[in-house]
Amino acid sequence: QQQVKQSPQSLIVQKGGISIINCAYENTAFDYFPWYQQFPGKGPALLIAIRPDVSEKKEGRFTISFNKSAKQFSLHIMDSQPGDSATYFCAADHSGSRLTFGEGTQLTVNP
Amino acid sequence: NAGVMQNPRHLVRRRGQEARLRCSPMKGHSHVYWYRQLPEEGLKFMVYLQKENIIDESGMPKERFSAEFPKEGPSILRIQQVVRGDSAAYFCASSYQGNSYEQYFGPGTRLTVT
Repeated sequence: QQQVKQSPQSLIVQKGGISIINCAYENTAFDYFPWYQQFPGKGPALLIAIRPDVSEKKEGRFTISFNKSAKQFSLHIMDSQPGDSATYFCAADHSGSRLTFGEGTQLTVNP
Repeated sequence: NAGVMQNPRHLVRRRGQEARLRCSPMKGHSHVYWYRQLPEEGLKFMVYLQKENIIDESGMPKERFSAEFPKEGPSILRIQQVVRGDSAAYFCASSYQGNSYEQYFGPGTRLTVT
């Protein structure tokens, strides 16, 4: 019940395209859903986050869509750039005690 | 405005030795979390600490692992009698408050057990 399932495992997108990464969760107590970006050899960097009282949040080229009834949320990267090539992790939390991470998606944006 | 700091960045230990990993949270943050990342896997929660208190250690292996966050100084994750399976990247994160939710990660310590 604590798991967060993430797909796809890897994703290849052309420059300028839209990258879409999906996550699903079971625990309805989760009330905070962040996305992290990780480059090789670096720590995860907080990218964008959403709470379940809104269905969408946009920051620049990054958008989170949230479907509470389906217990799913997704990250959309518009106008994907080669510099976006990284591993992306979704996560979920409740009560600010711990993050439960998805398995990660390795995104490659071809020039 | 320094972020979360971890040292050492790389640590090599022989089987049976002790590994000691340090984490200094962001300025003003009093909550620290440790996560472990095995190769090609996501991050797994290990322990959540506040100053001088362990709040949640449900993700810590029962033996050989311990963590502390003293009143003064960095948080320490200690692994005694390391085994090859302990080889991983260990990340520390900090937050301003436990319920603020926003956790900021350090660069990690890559532990290699030979």
